[in-house]
Amino acid sequence: EIVMTQSPATLSVSPGERATLSCRASQSISSSLAWYHQKPGQAPRLLIYGASTRATGIPARFSGSASGTEFTLTISSLQSEDFAVYYCQHYHSWPPTFGQGTKVEIK
Amino acid sequence: EVQLLESGGGLVQPGGSLRLSCAASGFTFPTYALSWVRLPPGQGLEWVSAISAGGDSTFYADSVKGRFTISRDNSKNTLYLQMNILRAEDTAVYYCAKAGSLTQRGLLDYWGQGTLVTVSS
Repeated sequence: EIVMTQSPATLSVSPGERATLSCRASQSISSSLAWYHQKPGQAPRLLIYGASTRATGIPARFSGSASGTEFTLTISSLQSEDFAVYYCQHYHSWPPTFGQGTKVEIK
Repeated sequence: EVQLLESGGGLVQPGGSLRLSCAASGFTFPTYALSWVRLPPGQGLEWVSAISAGGDSTFYADSVKGRFTISRDNSKNTLYLQMNILRAEDTAVYYCAKAGSLTQRGLLDYWGQGTLVTVSS
C-alpha cells in the first residue's frame, strides 16, 4: 500500500495570503495525484487531478505541481470559502489512499 | 447534473449488519466505476471499496476485507455496500463517489452527501 504523507497538519493563513500545502508519496505514482477539500458537514470536492489539472469549475487561484514523489497545492490568494481541510490522494494503484489532511484555518 | 444520494445509515450494535445504498443520476451509470469512502469522527478520509463499471471487479481496503461487500445494480442506477460484523471503528460518515474517468477508476470526481453509520452498544 502506498502511503501519502501531508504537511503541515494545520496551516494558519490570513485572507488574501498565499497557502502552500505539501504531499509526499511513499513510492512513485507518476502524476496520479488528486487534491480535494472538505468543509464541515459537506462532501469532499475534487480540486486538482493529474497533479496539476484543475477540475471543472475550480478557480485559477488553485494550482498543483509535482517533483518526483513530492506534490504541492498552492492557493494564491485565500478567500473565505477556501478555509477547509485539504486531502491529497493517489489513484495509481489499489488501494487509492488519502493523506491524513491539512486543515487550513483563518489566522 | 450528477447526483449521488446515500441512504441506509443508522445505529447498529457491534457484530451487527447494515446495508447502504447510493442512488445515482445525471450520468451514464453503467459506464463508470464507483467507490465508497468513509470519514470517521475526528479523522481523515479512508477509501473503503470500489467496483468496476460492469460489476465484475471489486476492490477492498484491508480493514473491511471479508466483512464488507460492494455491489451494483446497473438497471436501477444504484450502488450498495453490505456491511457485516460491524465494529466500533467502522463508525463514520460513508460517501459514495463516482470515478473521474473510464480508465482512472480511483479518481473520484463527484461525491454524495454521505450517510452516518454508528456502531455502538
